[in-house]
Amino acid sequence: DIQMTQSPSSLSASVGDRVTITCRASQSISNYLNWYQQKPGKAPKLLIYGASSLQSGVPSRFSGSGSGTDFTLTISSLQPEDFATYYCQQSYSNPLTFGGGTKVEIK
Amino acid sequence: EVQLVESGGDLVQPGGSLRLSCAASGFTFSSYAMNWVRQAPGKGLEWVSAISDSGGSTSYADSVKGRFTISRDNSKNTLYLQMNSLRAEDTAVYYCARRDGYNYRYYFNYWGQGTLVTVSS
Repeated sequence: DIQMTQSPSSLSASVGDRVTITCRASQSISNYLNWYQQKPGKAPKLLIYGASSLQSGVPSRFSGSGSGTDFTLTISSLQPEDFATYYCQQSYSNPLTFGGGTKVEIK
Repeated sequence: EVQLVESGGDLVQPGGSLRLSCAASGFTFSSYAMNWVRQAPGKGLEWVSAISDSGGSTSYADSVKGRFTISRDNSKNTLYLQMNSLRAEDTAVYYCARRDGYNYRYYFNYWGQGTLVTVSS
């Protein structure tokens, strides 16, 4: 199975900050990497697919990059509604696997 | 509007069984592969199972293989998860999710609201 490791597991940031979350795969997954946002009590929401493609309706302050084993989700200017937990997920091979999550909290 | 509505979650004793349902609407259900993803309380997301658009192909996480069975009824636009020999570690919110994308560039763009399964004596 492909292991997905996210870092950090949590972070504190202020509104307006630039935030970067990293996801590393245990083997190369090309660009078969997705990012989701989840708020408490809600289902996950797709933000980025194919490592860098922004899902329709998602604000442009979110961006994704990377290929192979190392990927990054960047929020260019953190907004109050962005405080949530973020997950990466690979679709390169079954079983599909998620990272452990990164909780973004208010500083 | 795409909608996925799960039901069937409940409190069940260890070793018991439960069947979850996911009613789909707003899209051509028979054209999409579907998945179950779960989330234990306070934990991360775990993919559980997938089924192809026709129902002819299924896959499972090792943690549920041999105990859970995914199926679908395209005439009823409904996805199922039959859960047998339930264990405490199966306690989670179970989400159904539609698989979008192509050629392994797959992603989950639509999710249900989730249904809670609690396994406890």
